[in-house]
Amino acid sequence: AQSVTQLGSHVSVSEGALVLLRCNYSSSVPPYLFWYVQYPNQGLQLLLKYTTGATLVKGINGFEAEFKKSETSFHLTKPSAHMSDAAEYFCAVKAAGNKLTFGGGTRVLVKP
Amino acid sequence: GAGVSQSPRYKVAKRGQDVALRCDPISGHVSLFWYQQALGQGPEFLTYFQNEAQLDKSGLPSDRFFAERPEGSVSTLKIQRTQQEDSAVYLCASSLASGGGTDTQYFGPGTRLTVL
Repeated sequence: AQSVTQLGSHVSVSEGALVLLRCNYSSSVPPYLFWYVQYPNQGLQLLLKYTTGATLVKGINGFEAEFKKSETSFHLTKPSAHMSDAAEYFCAVKAAGNKLTFGGGTRVLVKP
Repeated sequence: GAGVSQSPRYKVAKRGQDVALRCDPISGHVSLFWYQQALGQGPEFLTYFQNEAQLDKSGLPSDRFFAERPEGSVSTLKIQRTQQEDSAVYLCASSLASGGGTDTQYFGPGTRLTVL
């Protein structure tokens, strides 16, 4: 079985500040890890994914995430928040099989 | 190019009514997935098709839920005798290959179902 925990259902950051969204997973097999973003009334958009190889993964819109096997973590960061980053972010894991298992999501609020 | 589309975008049903939700995947995508997203939660897997074959329906919450993809393209999720607990956003996703491993799932905008 696999599961995902996202610490903090809401995060508030100032424009220009660091964005850090935490994700921890459990999986009995080496996982594939994903971050998706969801804007209001829209579907999920892939930000980045970890498959194999380099543990630091760069995605769209300046986001990146680092896979740390020893910590079973895949935290998402962006050095400088922009107003357009206000959205909900979901971490997901895919281990054996095809289905994605999602965390509960973290809603990001960006203050001017 | 065109992404995954879903219709209707919003559906209001009275308790006990049947509803049908449609998903048009990206052209040429082999795999199609349905997820249910309750308010304030992450999406949860319902079912998976590879072409017209339904290979996994382990996430369907009850026998009131039924999905089909008869020609390996468009899919319909049907909910019979809707209950208030069925209120959620239903997301459809498609992927080029099997959807496993590194294969990316592309999501549609969802159908928001409200059962009164």
